[in-house]
Amino acid sequence: GAVVSQHPSWVICKSGTSVKIECRSLDFQATTMFWYRQFPKQSLMLMATSNEGSKATYEQGVEKDKFLINHASLTLSTLTVTSAHPEDSSFYICSAADSGNTIYFGEGSWLTVV
Amino acid sequence: ELKVEQNPLFLSMQEGKNYTIYCNYSTTSDRLYWYRQDPGKSLESLFVLLSNGAVKQEGRLMASLDTKARLSTLHITAAVHDLSATYFCAVDRPNFGNEKLTFGTGTRLTIIP
Repeated sequence: GAVVSQHPSWVICKSGTSVKIECRSLDFQATTMFWYRQFPKQSLMLMATSNEGSKATYEQGVEKDKFLINHASLTLSTLTVTSAHPEDSSFYICSAADSGNTIYFGEGSWLTVV
Repeated sequence: ELKVEQNPLFLSMQEGKNYTIYCNYSTTSDRLYWYRQDPGKSLESLFVLLSNGAVKQEGRLMASLDTKARLSTLHITAAVHDLSATYFCAVDRPNFGNEKLTFGTGTRLTIIP
């Protein structure tokens, strides 16, 4: 079946550095992908919509210069957390829908900033 | 602004008992989703409800949707320990397609032997 894959599953980085998370649709093409963030013991919050070939759309309160999104192909979106700080430590999850509007979530990526 | 609320937030049940989780949403939506999340893991899709009166069942879980009341329920029958997890409902956003979801607050379910 259709799968959305994220990489890496977990990453630890030093404060002030940047880290990139990839989201791939393995069995289908996705012109749109979505990035969510989940802090411990909280719900998922949509951060941004990744649009293939155009700029991402960010939710209110999400800094577009801090969370850079690139959707360079129909199967890959990347989220780069720039100048990461400990408060950016979170679980990041991407999603994409196939042509039948079935939504698939990636396995998630744990980010710890030390 | 679309708001999605769940209750209870925490639920501790004995094995064998029945219980219901409620999900209320504030504006019209086309689809209502239920997901399960185990600790440290991503989401597992349980149900997608598309129309008023829709009812779906899988094993000990049954979900229903009342679009007029903007209410969905997830009913657990004869709970077993394996059902311990956090359950989220989510709705799509009106006028934004069916792919962008707003999640409920989540219900952390603990089944006690």
